[in-house]
Amino acid sequence: GNSVTQMEGPVTLSEEAFLTINCTYTATGYPSLFWYVQYPGEGLQLLLKATKADDKGSNKGFEATYRKETTSFHLEKGSVQVSDSAVYFCALSDMVSWGKLQFGAGTQVVVTP
Amino acid sequence: DTAVSQTPKYLVTQMGNDKSIKCEQNLGHDTMYWYKQDSKKFLKIMFSYNNKELIINETVPNRFSPKSPDKAHLNLHINSLELGDSAVYFCASSQGDRTSNQPQHFGDGTRLSIL
Repeated sequence: GNSVTQMEGPVTLSEEAFLTINCTYTATGYPSLFWYVQYPGEGLQLLLKATKADDKGSNKGFEATYRKETTSFHLEKGSVQVSDSAVYFCALSDMVSWGKLQFGAGTQVVVTP
Repeated sequence: DTAVSQTPKYLVTQMGNDKSIKCEQNLGHDTMYWYKQDSKKFLKIMFSYNNKELIINETVPNRFSPKSPDKAHLNLHINSLELGDSAVYFCASSQGDRTSNQPQHFGDGTRLSIL
């Protein structure tokens, strides 16, 4: 079956540091890949997505590239802010399951001033 | 206007009780979902409906029964609540069909605590 593996947190870094959260997946066919963010006490918000190999999703300074050869979708941001503190989820949906999302375990990011 | 709204936001109740959580979306989407987030933040799909028809039913105890009166609403009823049901339950919606890869829009969650 499908699965998503992402690095464990918490990840603690200082403001303006570079952030990388690794995400790899296992899936049949050609899944779509997503990053969702969950701020404290809130629901999940779509951060970015990519639907085919070599696509790059980007939003709010975050980027991730769909790498089929390494089955990866790592999230990066060049300079984080305190407001980026949240839990980040990597997820996939395949093309036969009504958009059902398979989530990674989530990575908590804490940015300190 | 809130796109996906869930009520209540918090639900504290005794073991053995029956409770319901309601979800409504005003996005005109065809498909709605229920996810459970455990204490370690892990998210897992429970159910999904497309145009009022059940399309995803994961391995969930039959104490959980979803109901979709119309495509804008998906409610979750839970019978005989157990301690292990304590979690945050998220409703979500998306547009599309079986092969869709459209992103999902999530509600703010319902935190269920069983005493």
